[in-house]
Amino acid sequence: DGGITQSPKYLFRKEGQNVTLSCEQNLNHDAMYWYRQDPGQGLRLIYYSQIVNDFQKGDIAEGYSVSREKKESFPLTVTSAQKNPTAFYLCASSIVGAGDGEQFFGPGTRLTVL
Amino acid sequence: GESVGLHLPTLSVQEGDNSIINCAYSNSASDYFIWYKQESGKGPQFIIDIRSNMDKRQGQRVTVLLNKTVKHLSLQIAATQPGDSAVYFCAENWAGGTSYGKLTFGQGTILTVHP
Repeated sequence: DGGITQSPKYLFRKEGQNVTLSCEQNLNHDAMYWYRQDPGQGLRLIYYSQIVNDFQKGDIAEGYSVSREKKESFPLTVTSAQKNPTAFYLCASSIVGAGDGEQFFGPGTRLTVL
Repeated sequence: GESVGLHLPTLSVQEGDNSIINCAYSNSASDYFIWYKQESGKGPQFIIDIRSNMDKRQGQRVTVLLNKTVKHLSLQIAATQPGDSAVYFCAENWAGGTSYGKLTFGQGTILTVHP
């Protein structure tokens, strides 16, 4: 089955620790995205990547870092510089060049800082 | 900055009724709009989309209407079922002359369907 996978589903972190969230897609999409969702709110863009080895900051990039070494993978690291990291993190991917904007989402990772 | 917003944060309907979820957008250059459904603890799922050169598009039990004059988008769900209970987000996209467009999401509307 084609799709986007995120792991782990639940993640707990102690304050001061970095943690990396995994996102993999086998849809052959060029573009990938990371969003943060807080309770009762919409999605806010953290980082996005249109092509391998290139990525751009979104609206709330501070305290986060990403890499795009492979087309199918776009891991997100939540660093200790992120002051309020507890949230639901969503990864998405889309076609670039087809003119469509539809993004396909993974199941999400819920991060809790203890 | 440009944003997408929703008029109603919650909507409660009876099973079998029709539901209408509204969305206002402020970027007149947006050329593509999407509705997503998000169930609790899951990622958003695509429902239906519409381009700015259309004013109506129908899917299975869903219809999206676009009024560019007042920058308003709506999602109509016919014969609403309990399984339709979820948070619904609208999102807008502006390609800006390139093949890439960044989606901007609204805050969402909680739809609750009572049996």
